[in-house]
Amino acid sequence: GENVEQHPSTLSVQEGDSAVIKCTYSDSASNYFPWYKQELGKRPQLIIDIRSNVGEKKDQRIAVTLNKTAKHFSLHITETQPEDSAVYFCAASRGKAAGNKLTFGGGTRVLVKP
Amino acid sequence: NAGVTQTPKFQVLKTGQSMTLQCAQDMNHNSMYWYRQDPGMGLRLIYYSASEGTTDKGEVPNGYNVSRLNKREFSLRLESAAPSQTSVYFCASSEVPKNEKLFFGSGTQLSVL
Repeated sequence: GENVEQHPSTLSVQEGDSAVIKCTYSDSASNYFPWYKQELGKRPQLIIDIRSNVGEKKDQRIAVTLNKTAKHFSLHITETQPEDSAVYFCAASRGKAAGNKLTFGGGTRVLVKP
Repeated sequence: NAGVTQTPKFQVLKTGQSMTLQCAQDMNHNSMYWYRQDPGMGLRLIYYSASEGTTDKGEVPNGYNVSRLNKREFSLRLESAAPSQTSVYFCASSEVPKNEKLFFGSGTQLSVL
């Protein structure tokens, strides 16, 4: 089955700096890569996703890049703000055709210091 | 719309006891999922249901059973709880095949003593 590794496990940044989280996956048939944000005590929520036919996607201060050859993808948060403090999870799946059964990484706890 | 509703929010069990976690969604989604969340391990899929009447094992199904009672409801049962099942459990649904986005419930914090 799929295996998703996520690094780092914790990340502390100064407000205004950038944060980068990296994930690798093992299943070459995976074609859907979402990122979920989980604030303390809350449920995970989708913040951005990318499909294997796209190399990069941006949404305001958040961007995701995908390297299919190397089987890794990354989340970039620019101009970090205190409200970006949360745990971020990457995930991978074979997409809609396979029921979108996601395999998640272990999570990255991001702390943005004011 | 309430979205995905899970009950209970908290539960403490003794080893060997049984219980059922309830989940319901009001978004008319076909697909529903049960995940468990443990520190440092992300979320791991326990069971999945593509539609009413169908269920499929995920990564960690041992010790669990599920029922997709109808399109709205997907329950998770622990027949004989073990301390290793202490975890936070999340139910989720999605509009697959239209959209892969998962909508999560608020979670159930389960402790097995």
